[in-house]
Amino acid sequence: AQSVTQLDSQVPVFEEAPVELRCNYSSSVSVYLFWYVQYPNQGLQLLLKYLSGSTLVKGINGFEAEFNKSQTSFHLRKPSVHISDTAEYFCAVKGRDDKIIFGKGTRLHILP
Amino acid sequence: DSGVTQTPKHLITATGQRVTLRCSPRSGDLSVYWYQQSLDQGLQFLIQYYNGEERAKGNILERFSAQQFPDLHSELNLSSLELGDSALYFCASSSGLAGAKVDTQYFGPGTRLTVL
Repeated sequence: AQSVTQLDSQVPVFEEAPVELRCNYSSSVSVYLFWYVQYPNQGLQLLLKYLSGSTLVKGINGFEAEFNKSQTSFHLRKPSVHISDTAEYFCAVKGRDDKIIFGKGTRLHILP
Repeated sequence: DSGVTQTPKHLITATGQRVTLRCSPRSGDLSVYWYQQSLDQGLQFLIQYYNGEERAKGNILERFSAQQFPDLHSELNLSSLELGDSALYFCASSSGLAGAKVDTQYFGPGTRLTVL
């Protein structure tokens, strides 16, 4: 069975500073990895996904994530955050079946 | 806008009651998924339907049931409601194309259920 751990429930960051949101997964099989964003009072939106190939994945809104198989991590990064990035970010893993397992989420607070 | 619609947006009801949440997938999508999001449990997968048939089951209570109709819209029925059922219920859809390596799920805006 797969599982996802997002170590930080909240991350405060100053505007224009870089940010990294951490995600670790566990699985006995090959996985596909996702980051979703949930803006206040909205549904989830796919930011990026790793299926195979290059371990550095670029997504929307300037976000990118790096798949690290040896560390079973898929951390999300952005070099310079904007106030509009205030949202909750969910890491998710999918195994061979169609079920997606989500982490508990990390709330990103952008400080002026 | 993901193309997935959910109604109603908000629902307030009392314990013991029964409600139905509705989801219309993106045009052409065959798979529909239901999720429950609450503060203590996070985002939990409930159930998936593909072209009218149940395909996968997650942490869905026996008091809950779902179905997908011939026009591919789906309904989630919640009965004998308890206070703890208060949550955001999301529907997502995907193409469900055979052989697709990974089917991206597109989420609706959710239905917020409050049980008093």
